[in-house]
Amino acid sequence: EVQVLESGGGLVQPGGSLRLSCAASGFSFSNSAMSWVRQSPGKGLEWVSGISGSGDSTYYADSMKGRVTVSRDNSKDTLYLQMNSLRVDDTAVYYCTKQEGYNWGGFDYWGQGTLVTVSS
Amino acid sequence: QSVLTQPPSASGTPGQRVTISCSGSSSNIGSNYVYWYQQLPGTAPKLLIYSNNQRPSGVPDRFSGSKSGTSASLAISGLRSEDESDYYCAAWDDSLSGVVFGGGTKLTVL
Repeated sequence: EVQVLESGGGLVQPGGSLRLSCAASGFSFSNSAMSWVRQSPGKGLEWVSGISGSGDSTYYADSMKGRVTVSRDNSKDTLYLQMNSLRVDDTAVYYCTKQEGYNWGGFDYWGQGTLVTVSS
Repeated sequence: QSVLTQPPSASGTPGQRVTISCSGSSSNIGSNYVYWYQQLPGTAPKLLIYSNNQRPSGVPDRFSGSKSGTSASLAISGLRSEDESDYYCAAWDDSLSGVVFGGGTKLTVL
């Protein structure tokens, strides 16, 4: 059974940092591109970042470029998102997603999400 | 303001057919696959349609996707009460080098 499980969310002050993790199981992690997608309270979905299966290619949304770094450890089947200089408007549920196939945009498995709250 | 444009709401009665549109540009829908997601209240989104018109295993054939030029549509036939949900379209954008989503459409089953 495919599973992706996020952790690391919580309350952080503006300007602070947080690292999210996503433990994957049930599929060939190293052969799967992964992405982080977020959803602010009451708002729509926003793609944050993506990384290829090998980790050689990374992509970022303009809204978080320069403040986040996506990485992965294929020996541990784990995806990460390092977030720095957090702002109040970064408050959201962050989802870890597995990409379907070879084309970006199709996420066939989602975690339950981890809530990041940026507030003083 | 989302890169892909969806109507904020749609509605229909049980058994009816409804469509939800998603408008983009040549850099996203016009040159890449379109994906559709269903998000029930309080849950993670679920992939409904991939590669413009393909259904993942387990998705009823009442759901169908199409694409023409820089626009795409999700059609739901034989509408049921459990289809009441938020629906999002998504595509890769070559200019932004990232995935873009529509703002979402809230479907109400009257």
